[in-house]
Amino acid sequence: DSGVTQTPKHLITATGQRVTLRCSPRSGDLSVYWYQQSLDQGLQFLIQYYNGEERAKGNILERFSAQQFPDLHSELNLSSLELGDSALYFCASSIGPEPGDTQYFGPGTRLTVL
Amino acid sequence: AQRVTQPEKLLSVFKGAPVELKCNYSYSGSPELFWYVQYSRQRLQLLLRHISRESIKGFTADLNKGETSFHLKKPFAQEEDSAMYYCALRDSGTYKYIFGTGTRLKVLA
Repeated sequence: DSGVTQTPKHLITATGQRVTLRCSPRSGDLSVYWYQQSLDQGLQFLIQYYNGEERAKGNILERFSAQQFPDLHSELNLSSLELGDSALYFCASSIGPEPGDTQYFGPGTRLTVL
Repeated sequence: AQRVTQPEKLLSVFKGAPVELKCNYSYSGSPELFWYVQYSRQRLQLLLRHISRESIKGFTADLNKGETSFHLKKPFAQEEDSAMYYCALRDSGTYKYIFGTGTRLKVLA
């Protein structure tokens, strides 16, 4: 599969814990985006990286952090988890950082915090 | 503050009828606007963006700066258009993306 991949597909954890979500962009894409989709807040943009550097920051909580590695994969770290963090976390990738560059989305990681 | 509003959670139309999915935005500068679509059991995908002035799958969207709207239109709905549609704005200053809450379109046979 040459598309955007995300692991794991599902994650169940307890409040207070820390998890790491992983995203591999499409081959050749330099930009990675993270989004959170929940019932009460809808689709929220979290953060964007381009070629290893942070490009844009959205509604990302201080308990959350992300990075893009030299091989261009990205990880989203969520710590001190709360019940309200339960959501579908998407990543997307694009060839460049501009709005004209089409974002291709991954299948998402469903996080359940109990 | 920047905001994207999609007033309809659910829109049901009959096959062959015209469709208009509403999107209004609040933004002080020149907006960059997009429509995204998510079909059942598929990934979210870009449908169209206003800078391209394109028509995808028969859908068009015109930016109306006076009314601060970017409504998505299709003259004749098809059953395969049934999906969740999101309007989004990109802040050209901060590069943040702001999404509306989405409208579920159901095209009835």
